[in-house]
Amino acid sequence: SQQGEEDPQALSIQEGENATMNCSYKTSINNLQWYRQNSGRGLVHLILIRSNEREKHSGRLRVTLDTSKKSSSLLITASRAADTASYFCATGYNNNDMRFGAGTRLTVKP
Amino acid sequence: DVKVTQSSRYLVKRTGEKVFLECVQDMDHENMFWYRQDPGLGLRLIYFSYDVKMKEKGDIPEGYSVSREKKERFSLILESASTNQTSMYLCASSPGSRAKNIQYFGAGTRLSVL
Repeated sequence: SQQGEEDPQALSIQEGENATMNCSYKTSINNLQWYRQNSGRGLVHLILIRSNEREKHSGRLRVTLDTSKKSSSLLITASRAADTASYFCATGYNNNDMRFGAGTRLTVKP
Repeated sequence: DVKVTQSSRYLVKRTGEKVFLECVQDMDHENMFWYRQDPGLGLRLIYFSYDVKMKEKGDIPEGYSVSREKKERFSLILESASTNQTSMYLCASSPGSRAKNIQYFGAGTRLSVL
């Protein structure tokens, strides 16, 4: 399967702390995306990082990509209760395929 | 803003019924997708379409069919609903190359088959 795998499956932190989620994949990718899903809703795109990029920022989000280790991480700094959601990585492949992982469930306690 | 609209948020059907899930996007996107989401399994691709009247099977097409008669509309059909099709169904659309672009999702349809 080309599906990415997120780690951890679940993460619980206090408001103000940083949250780090990881995504690993098995074969070479064209890009990797991170999405967020609030409970019972659709996914919302957060950030896309291409295979020739190593780091991207968007507000409190920082994404890194290490193609040699076939892994990516999503860092949310200074987390808020409103960041509570599930986070998914999606890997885009050169054969025009794209796959979502199983997600990390983040709980931020106020 | 891109808008992807799924016709129902919640749906309750009986075993054996024919079920239609409708999805409409307003951004003239080439690609449209149907996913199924179950706890611990993430999003699994059922079918996708890259053009009108074109469709391709995803990872779990069994028990489902799709229709794309117009560019903006992509329908998922459960020919004879079964209890193991109880799930959250998500529709998405994207422009151009489906592996290189952002997917825009609808709010989801939670289907219960009794």
